[in-house]
Amino acid sequence: AQSVTQPDIHITVSEGASLELRCNYSYGATPYLFWYVQSPGQGLQLLLKYFSGDTLVQGIKGFEAEFKRSQSSFNLRKPSVHWSDAAEYFCAAVWLQGAQKLVFGQGTRLTINP
Amino acid sequence: DTEVTQTPKHLVMGMTNKKSLKCEQHMGHRAMYWYKQKAKKPPELMFVYSYEKLSINESVPSRFSPECPNSSLLNLHLHALQPEDSALYLCASSQDGRVSGYTFGSGTRLTVV
Repeated sequence: AQSVTQPDIHITVSEGASLELRCNYSYGATPYLFWYVQSPGQGLQLLLKYFSGDTLVQGIKGFEAEFKRSQSSFNLRKPSVHWSDAAEYFCAAVWLQGAQKLVFGQGTRLTINP
Repeated sequence: DTEVTQTPKHLVMGMTNKKSLKCEQHMGHRAMYWYKQKAKKPPELMFVYSYEKLSINESVPSRFSPECPNSSLLNLHLHALQPEDSALYLCASSQDGRVSGYTFGSGTRLTVV
């Protein structure tokens, strides 16, 4: 079955530290991949997306993500986090095969320590 | 205009009430979606409209009734809801759901009392 896994439910980092949020997908074919961010009580904002080509993708707010086919991964990174980055982060995927629905991971809640 | 606008932002309704949620986009997107999100969970797909026709219904109870009057508008009619239906209801749209990604609205926080 098509699925997206975010292994970390909750991550805490200090302000100014680097960040990496993990995301893995299953189901053989490479999907279209997305990272969304959601602040409390708000909608989802698209950070970045990957379809093909360069495996290092730049997004908004200083985020980047690297696609690794061999690991079926699409990890999100930021060199130096800010207190305003505290939010819920969702990795999501759409496959060309099947119903072509956006499949979400369970989300990773990011807490920033001052 | 690059936004999806949802109204109202908050809604409290009784179990015998009838209410509607509204979603609007002017990006020319031809696919629109309703999602339900419970606290600390990812959004769950409810309905998909493609070119104003219902293409996916994820076995949603009939007390939720979607409507797409035109390519810019999407409504969700609510009737005889249960307290467990309390959630954040998100609308999204996409030009091509695979390539361009989805644009989400800010949601309607629904409380059923």
